[in-house]
Amino acid sequence: DQQVKQNSPSLSVQEGRISILNCDYTNSMFDYFLWYKKYPAEGPTFLISISSIKDKNEDGRFTVFLNKSAKHLSLHIVPSQPGDSAVYFCAASARVQGAQKLVFGQGTRLTINP
Amino acid sequence: DAGVIQSPRHEVTEMGQEVTLRCKPISGHNSLFWYRQTMMRGLELLIYFNNNVPIDDSGMPEDRFSAKMPNASFSTLKIQPSEPRDSAVYFCASSRIGSRRSNQPQHFGDGTRLSIL
Repeated sequence: DQQVKQNSPSLSVQEGRISILNCDYTNSMFDYFLWYKKYPAEGPTFLISISSIKDKNEDGRFTVFLNKSAKHLSLHIVPSQPGDSAVYFCAASARVQGAQKLVFGQGTRLTINP
Repeated sequence: DAGVIQSPRHEVTEMGQEVTLRCKPISGHNSLFWYRQTMMRGLELLIYFNNNVPIDDSGMPEDRFSAKMPNASFSTLKIQPSEPRDSAVYFCASSRIGSRRSNQPQHFGDGTRLSIL
């Protein structure tokens, strides 16, 4: 059973426009959500996170929104830049014995067109 | 600061051979995680350690897989004997154990691409 789902395998956006990546989850025990960015042949790089007590977190061009009632989160990138082209993973966790056991979505490949 | 360091970056070996993957976490981090990425299953957690102690190994696929963390700066993931279906990219990640008020993200190494022939 997929507890974290990214339903769009790919997304193409024009440079300068807004990129919106979506993620749905099923486990109501999740209390911490993260977005990772991954380039080929590299490990995932932490981008931004949000705790379940918040509904928005912003860091520069990146904003994550959390809608707990809908069990949905999204990542907004504005303005989109060519260097943002990568695979983006949504992850969720429920704290277990002090550490976070992350469950990842399948990823969305974002392509920013010049 | 050095990130999570994994070795080797690539490993090609024949079925039945023992494979050992290595990980050096970020200094000061006290949680370590081993993940596997495949096309079919995506990124999945295999095992994680807190303060060098294995906490949850429910993601380890079979007894052929084992992981150790002899000290705070080193961990190994071993597959013996290896099989073609073990071919995947294996990632190690580390973090500080957060408090209820302070979540800490996991930081990943660049992975080991394993091919079992």
